[in-house]
Amino acid sequence: DSGVTQTPKHLITATGQRVTLRCSPRSGDLSVYWYQQSLDQGLQFLIQYYNGEERAKGNILERFSAQQFPDLHSELNLSSLELGDSALYFCASSKSDSTSYGYTFGSGTRLTVV
Amino acid sequence: AQRVTQPEKLLSVFKGAPVELKCNYSYSGSPELFWYVQYSRQRLQLLLRHISRESIKGFTADLNKGETSFHLKKPFAQEEDSAMYYCALFTSYGKLTFGQGTILTVHP
Repeated sequence: DSGVTQTPKHLITATGQRVTLRCSPRSGDLSVYWYQQSLDQGLQFLIQYYNGEERAKGNILERFSAQQFPDLHSELNLSSLELGDSALYFCASSKSDSTSYGYTFGSGTRLTVV
Repeated sequence: AQRVTQPEKLLSVFKGAPVELKCNYSYSGSPELFWYVQYSRQRLQLLLRHISRESIKGFTADLNKGETSFHLKKPFAQEEDSAMYYCALFTSYGKLTFGQGTILTVHP
């Protein structure tokens, strides 16, 4: 167990639907990062939060949004889902936004859009 | 702009053979680089950081600023080393930029 918890582990939903992925960072970590992993795109950075505030944005679609709550857990909301959104979504956390110690990753949520 | 390139998508070696996974980076600042490993689509695990100059599971990586490379090496590959390997570059605000990954297969 890495200490980063992601739920659910698997999610199957239909096109056009909306889902919420949840991430609880490792105890003491203030930064949360979301990544999308697909076979053709590799590991793509989506968004980062630090202590409740958005810190950096990557290749995140407008249909996607995220937030970090006061208890530091984060949620990634995916709406108007398309078949191409099927992927593994990883959350990672780190102690600060300037750490060079790397991330601790969660086990991911496997999203399948049918 | 920062970029990490792993030129080999697939790499196959036989057990006991040396292995080298290539990573090149582009970054204007002082680079901090990492290797992550992912077994069977599980979570990514930190393998090593260049600043610690450590050897994990027999793997080492040396930062070569002149060639802007951070290749991962192991003298004798084992079957359990079969996995996806990602090279990553630390940039601003803690963001890690990942390469496309290399799938290493070690044959018996």
